[in-house]
Amino acid sequence: GAGVSQTPSNKVTEKGKYVELRCDPISGHTALYWYRQSLGQGPEFLIYFQGTGAADDSGLPNDRFFAVRPEGSVSTLKIQRTERGDSAVYLCASSTDRANTEAFFGQGTRLTVV
Amino acid sequence: AQKVTQAQTEISVVEKEDVTLDCVYETRDTTYYLFWYKQPPSGELVFLIRRNSFDEQNEISGRYSWNFQKSTSSFNFTITASQVVDSAVYFCALSALTLLQGAQKLVFGQGTRLTINP
Repeated sequence: GAGVSQTPSNKVTEKGKYVELRCDPISGHTALYWYRQSLGQGPEFLIYFQGTGAADDSGLPNDRFFAVRPEGSVSTLKIQRTERGDSAVYLCASSTDRANTEAFFGQGTRLTVV
Repeated sequence: AQKVTQAQTEISVVEKEDVTLDCVYETRDTTYYLFWYKQPPSGELVFLIRRNSFDEQNEISGRYSWNFQKSTSSFNFTITASQVVDSAVYFCALSALTLLQGAQKLVFGQGTRLTINP
């Protein structure tokens, strides 16, 4: 489809393992965002890319979290040494860089750390 | 700091009733955007509306209407003649207008789970 695609839809991993979550934005969208949504909460901002560069990574909780967008399209969120507290739904969104635009969200990746 | 408060955690009404979802926000910015998103069980956030802080006009879109009152820092959402398909979690969100055109670092409320019973 033409929407934001996130893979995998579900990921179960053991505590201490490394995981990668992928986001395919809408074609032509230069802005890409990662959010984390814990159970019963609203999404919380993690990082924002404009093109290939991270314009704002102030929401990343610690240095175990890292995200890249090497070609300005697909983005990967990487979590090292996962902890049980990292369990959440990770949402990706994309938008154009025009003013008065909205962000379109993917369906998220549900990460469970056991 | 920016903050969005949705005091109603859950609301349950019978189909065809009108229902209002409350949203109160805090920001030091003089210019900002306000949003409402719908999150059905599939998990995807569906955009409903964006309102610029310069524009306090209320808006109506079909059965949906929004009341923006800057004086009380509120941006409430009303569904008229509710339907079962309206059942979802609804989020209010706030974003500063930034020099990075189009950038939307959204601050979300905790959401209101709306259940419409047949």
